[in-house]
Amino acid sequence: QVQLQESGPGLVKPSGTLSLTCAVSGGSISSSNWWSWVRQPPGKGLEWIGEIYHSGNIHYNPSLKSRVTMSVDKSKNQFSLKLSSVTAADTAVYYCARIRYSGNDRWFDPWGQGTLVTVSS
Amino acid sequence: DIQMTQSPSSLSASVRDRVTITCRASQSISTYLNWYQQKPGKAPKLLIYAASSLHSGVPSRFSGGGSGTDFTLTISSLQPEDFATYYCQQSYSTPYTFGQGTKVEIK
Repeated sequence: QVQLQESGPGLVKPSGTLSLTCAVSGGSISSSNWWSWVRQPPGKGLEWIGEIYHSGNIHYNPSLKSRVTMSVDKSKNQFSLKLSSVTAADTAVYYCARIRYSGNDRWFDPWGQGTLVTVSS
Repeated sequence: DIQMTQSPSSLSASVRDRVTITCRASQSISTYLNWYQQKPGKAPKLLIYAASSLHSGVPSRFSGGGSGTDFTLTISSLQPEDFATYYCQQSYSTPYTFGQGTKVEIK
């Protein structure tokens, strides 16, 4: 079964760039799935960041679009997130997730365990 | 963006109680609605997709219903392991959006 694992620095300085990677195991990133990032500030709800297909098709949340870049590395079976010009408001647990779909229905499953990224000097 | 509003934000219930959580969308989303369970320090887990389809491995005491703008998640007989926060999420259009969560606590 597919498993996801996030990795990256846990501390980023204000105005810097947050960079995370999600390693996919138990399946190919080139399968017919979209791959996504979701974040959750401490004690708060969930916010969708964006999704990417292995072909490079991408959809970003308009609220973050100017600062987000997502990419896929098929050779490493992983996908990545970059968020630029970060502030304390970007402090959150960042999750990667696979998007399954059937017809027009789509849902997030499974999720990675999540990684806390703190923005602080 | 489609706004998702859950009610209540929190509730207290006892083991074996029947619990219902409501999720309302700001516009019609047909049945493009999913439910997740999240326990402290853990990632969300899928419970229900397409409004009423039970995800593999999820106990049958969980059920979902509704269409259009109004949806429900029901736990028929609350078990100790069900105390958690529950989120609805619409997949009708991007940006996908989540409800604010409903925390189910022990009475």
